[in-house]
Amino acid sequence: GESVGLHLPTLSVQEGDNSIINCAYSNSASDYFIWYKQESGKGPQFIIDIRSNMDKRQGQRVTVLLNKTVKHLSLQIAATQPGDSAVYFCAENIVGYSTLTFGKGTMLLVSP
Amino acid sequence: ETGVTQTPRHLVMGMTNKKSLKCEQHLGHNAMYWYKQSAKKPLELMFVYNFKEQTENNSVPSRFSPECPNSSHLFLHLHTLQPEDSALYLCASSQDLIGQGSTDTQYFGPGTRLTVL
Repeated sequence: GESVGLHLPTLSVQEGDNSIINCAYSNSASDYFIWYKQESGKGPQFIIDIRSNMDKRQGQRVTVLLNKTVKHLSLQIAATQPGDSAVYFCAENIVGYSTLTFGKGTMLLVSP
Repeated sequence: ETGVTQTPRHLVMGMTNKKSLKCEQHLGHNAMYWYKQSAKKPLELMFVYNFKEQTENNSVPSRFSPECPNSSHLFLHLHTLQPEDSALYLCASSQDLIGQGSTDTQYFGPGTRLTVL
């Protein structure tokens, strides 16, 4: 079946570095994507979203890139901070469906 | 805070117990969701409600029984659970059903950590 998945289960970076977390999706009918951050003991927190009519969207210190040709989504975090340490996962919405499909997540570890 | 609250935050129950999880959203949203989050697995959608009406039941066993008395409150009634039901149960809400509104973002509560003995 088609699903959303993540390339790297764990990403370790130094404070101040830029982080890139990747997500692959397989359903070409997906038209809306969201990145969530989940800290230990908390629920997922919305970070940024993007629709399929866009290739890039920027927020505060975060950028989401969408490559529809290869069905790839990435989250870039600039100047990563220890507070960014969390699990990050992507979710997709397929046209015509009223639900989100979630990936498994990538653990981001930021060292001081 | 996301505007979605869940109680209790932690729950330990035996397989013969009956308990309920509560979710409340203060965002004026019309759609509410229950998800199950198990270790090393993606979030699993359980139920979807839109304007108090159930629109999705993702093949969830009958030992999980949802209730949505109004658009702001959502309950998950639990009875005769199994140890494999131990997980983090997350509630979420969105302005409208995903794909049907101008904004599709779901906002999550902190979850209830459930342990079934």
